[in-house]
Amino acid sequence: AAGVIQSPRHLIKEKRETATLKCYPIPRHDTVYWYQQGPGQDPQFLISFYEKMQSDKGSIPDRFSAQQFSDYHSELNMSSLELGDSALYFCASSSPRGGELFFGEGSRLTVL
Amino acid sequence: QKEVEQDPGPLSVPEGAIVSLNCTYSNSAFQYFMWYRQYSRKGPELLMYTYSSGNKEDGRFTAQVDKSSKYISLFIRDSQPSDSATYLCAMSASGGYQKVTFGTGTKLQVIP
Repeated sequence: AAGVIQSPRHLIKEKRETATLKCYPIPRHDTVYWYQQGPGQDPQFLISFYEKMQSDKGSIPDRFSAQQFSDYHSELNMSSLELGDSALYFCASSSPRGGELFFGEGSRLTVL
Repeated sequence: QKEVEQDPGPLSVPEGAIVSLNCTYSNSAFQYFMWYRQYSRKGPELLMYTYSSGNKEDGRFTAQVDKSSKYISLFIRDSQPSDSATYLCAMSASGGYQKVTFGTGTKLQVIP
């Protein structure tokens, strides 16, 4: 079965640079979530989209923005990167009828 | 105080043992309860998904929800070394596009 696809899997950036992460949800899933997981931490909810509209917002820094496109894929844009942004960024998708989240493998961002 | 509390462990058990993992929560609006398994450097993988109170069994895994006590459990029977991972409880108020709140995860090691 098709899963959530994230790219890139690994990304190395320097401080103050910009990074973009992409997420392709499971087919027919119209809800996308972004989570940030620091080393040894639980996943922290950043933002979610339902039918291309922002549906909820968590602890997402103002330096970050995200959107969901007409094909339901989503992109997380991170600017003015800081060392503390180094983490695993997970995308998850779900259908509105269930509550189950299905996660991608994650994108590991390292800021030097 | 976090909305969802989970003992971080680590929990070390011999192969074949019964494992009990638990979470407590404070938000009485939570209705959807999930358990995820996360291997190192991988995305969380959905194990069990339950709605409201009650038990759910799937193979060697049993999930229990006691909403009156705001307490959920995951039992693993006949534990295997391949069960060694971090187990995260997660819950949401309405499922679907509502954000999911995670526990901090319990690291489990099953010793052969």
